[in-house]
Amino acid sequence: AQKVTQAQTEISVVEKEDVTLDCVYETRDTTYYLFWYKQPPSGELVFLIRRNSFDEQNEISGRYSWNFQKSTSSFNFTITASQVVDSAVYFCALSEMDGGATNKLIFGTGTLLAVQP
Amino acid sequence: EADIYQTPRYLVIGTGKKITLECSQTMGHDKMYWYQQDPGMELHLIHYSYGVNSTEKGDLSSESTVSRIRTEHFPLTLESARPSHTSQYLCASSEDALGGYTFGSGTRLTVV
Repeated sequence: AQKVTQAQTEISVVEKEDVTLDCVYETRDTTYYLFWYKQPPSGELVFLIRRNSFDEQNEISGRYSWNFQKSTSSFNFTITASQVVDSAVYFCALSEMDGGATNKLIFGTGTLLAVQP
Repeated sequence: EADIYQTPRYLVIGTGKKITLECSQTMGHDKMYWYQQDPGMELHLIHYSYGVNSTEKGDLSSESTVSRIRTEHFPLTLESARPSHTSQYLCASSEDALGGYTFGSGTRLTVV
């Protein structure tokens, strides 16, 4: 069965610290996609990144970086030099094959990140 | 500018009332979804649709119903609201089989 585990329920850091959010997934599919979403206090989910199972290159976007390792089934997210505006709930998600179509997302339980000034 | 709209943003209603949560998207996406989010943050898929006249129940059993008469519109209805329905409801849509949903801002429902 497909499953996404975010073991860190809450993380609190001080501004300018680096922080890594962990994500471990389980799937029997050979083709799948992994995602990260951010949910600020306003409530909407904001798409951050999508990674397919054949691309293990790490990605960097500004202060954000993602480390995908198939060997450990992990897709971790690092924020460098955190800022108060980074405070949010972050969700990791895995796409699920449904009738041959990859389209249902399985979400982790989320990690609440609090960045203190 | 949001391409997927949910109304109302907040709703407080009494037990036993019938309510409809609206969700509309302007992107022409075939696939749409409803998630229920607990105060403890976890997201549960309660309904989804792969196109007009297609609706399926999600992983979490829900007393709500949905309809998909038009591509852009995917309303969720509760015939008789109860306090256990108090939650945030998030609507999403996607273009293709690669996932990557676009979410609405959500409706925070409180049933008293």
